[in-house]
Amino acid sequence: NAGVMQNPRHLVRRRGQEARLRCSPMKGHSHVYWYRQLPEEGLKFMVYLQKENIIDESGMPKERFSAEFPKEGPSILRIQQVVRGDSAAYFCASSPWDRGLNQPQHFGDGTRLSIL
Amino acid sequence: QQPVQSPQAVILREGEDAVINCSSSKALYSVHWYRQKHGEAPVFLMILLKGGEQKGHEKISASFNEKKQQSSLYLTASQLSYSGTYFCGTEDLSNFGNEKLTFGTGTRLTIIP
Repeated sequence: NAGVMQNPRHLVRRRGQEARLRCSPMKGHSHVYWYRQLPEEGLKFMVYLQKENIIDESGMPKERFSAEFPKEGPSILRIQQVVRGDSAAYFCASSPWDRGLNQPQHFGDGTRLSIL
Repeated sequence: QQPVQSPQAVILREGEDAVINCSSSKALYSVHWYRQKHGEAPVFLMILLKGGEQKGHEKISASFNEKKQQSSLYLTASQLSYSGTYFCGTEDLSNFGNEKLTFGTGTRLTIIP
């Protein structure tokens, strides 16, 4: 299966710890997007990255949150000093480079983050 | 400001039709529709670009009225597998080229036998 791969599927952290969420885009996709979803709510945009570049991080909190998409390896969403309010499902999506064709974003299965 | 979807929830019997609306306060370039089942990833259904086109996907089709900044998703002869929460994702003209999607409030569709 060459879909968007996220790991771990479930992550439990205590308050104050760090959480690292990984996303490998679909083969051939160079654009990665991170979204957060609270229970019974919609998807909230966090950050949009291309290889080695952050294109738009307007939806990401300025403190404690960071994202990267290195030249080699998966995209990482990092949350430092987690708090209870960080508990949510975090979804990653990817799309190919050819913007002219208005390609859809394909989602991974998400990481459910629980903060104790 | 996220798009507003209506209705918030709807229950249908198998075989009935449904319309889900997505309304934005911003000028739109495109509307993307997704379906998400509980605990799963959103699944892409279709994209509509400005120009008022209508597209179809099996018994699911959609329209986009750019002047009204609205899109509607039509489900005909609904099947049990159509159950889930439907989200529209909009791409604003002001953000064109950014590819950022702003997702709507969601519509929960339940199909009963």
